[in-house]
Amino acid sequence: NAGVTQTPKFRVLKTGQSMTLLCAQDMNHEYMYWYRQDPGMGLRLIHYSVGEGTTAKGEVPDGYNVSRLKKQNFLLGLESAAPSQTSVYFCASRRGQPTNEKLFFGSGTQLSVL
Amino acid sequence: GEDVEQSLFLSVREGDSSVINCTYTDSSSTYLYWYKQEPGAGLQLLTYIFSNMDMKQDQRLTVLLNKKDKHLSLRIADTQTGDSAIYFCAEHPRGGGADGLTFGKGTHLIIQP
Repeated sequence: NAGVTQTPKFRVLKTGQSMTLLCAQDMNHEYMYWYRQDPGMGLRLIHYSVGEGTTAKGEVPDGYNVSRLKKQNFLLGLESAAPSQTSVYFCASRRGQPTNEKLFFGSGTQLSVL
Repeated sequence: GEDVEQSLFLSVREGDSSVINCTYTDSSSTYLYWYKQEPGAGLQLLTYIFSNMDMKQDQRLTVLLNKKDKHLSLRIADTQTGDSAIYFCAEHPRGGGADGLTFGKGTHLIIQP
């Protein structure tokens, strides 16, 4: 049982390049999330999804797009990378309600934009 | 808006108790959580407490909730080197959406030998 798997684990981009981060979960969870973690800033929610085919904006959505074409996958896209997007990105999933259902996190993607 | 605050660092000696504190702003929060992040890894749920509880104990972990002061604490008894990590406090406000979790910035727990 893999849980939440993120690929790639590391990536270096040049300003203006595009890329897609993949998150896959094998727990049949409804809810999936993308966070970014920056020093001194904690975790900030970028986008989330409450089910296949749905997406919603989080706290810091600008510069990112997401898609949830399949229930098990949640993709995070950067169309034109900027140095401000240098961060560690975490995907998480949750079965759904009730609210004490815990979040399962992936191990993170370290992204550097030069 | 909601905000969750924690001190950034805590240093304790191995074998002592660690107490990590957190304050939150939304008095309607239904659940409060403690997550642990080890180096190079994602966050893992340590424990949570429902808002109608004052205390929850789980082996070496004790969570105390003071609703009047909106203060949450995590006590780790007999701190070990394996407890070295970042600890995040998080709240789920009653009006929270599908995510609803607001995380603090995390407390780095440093263990001295």
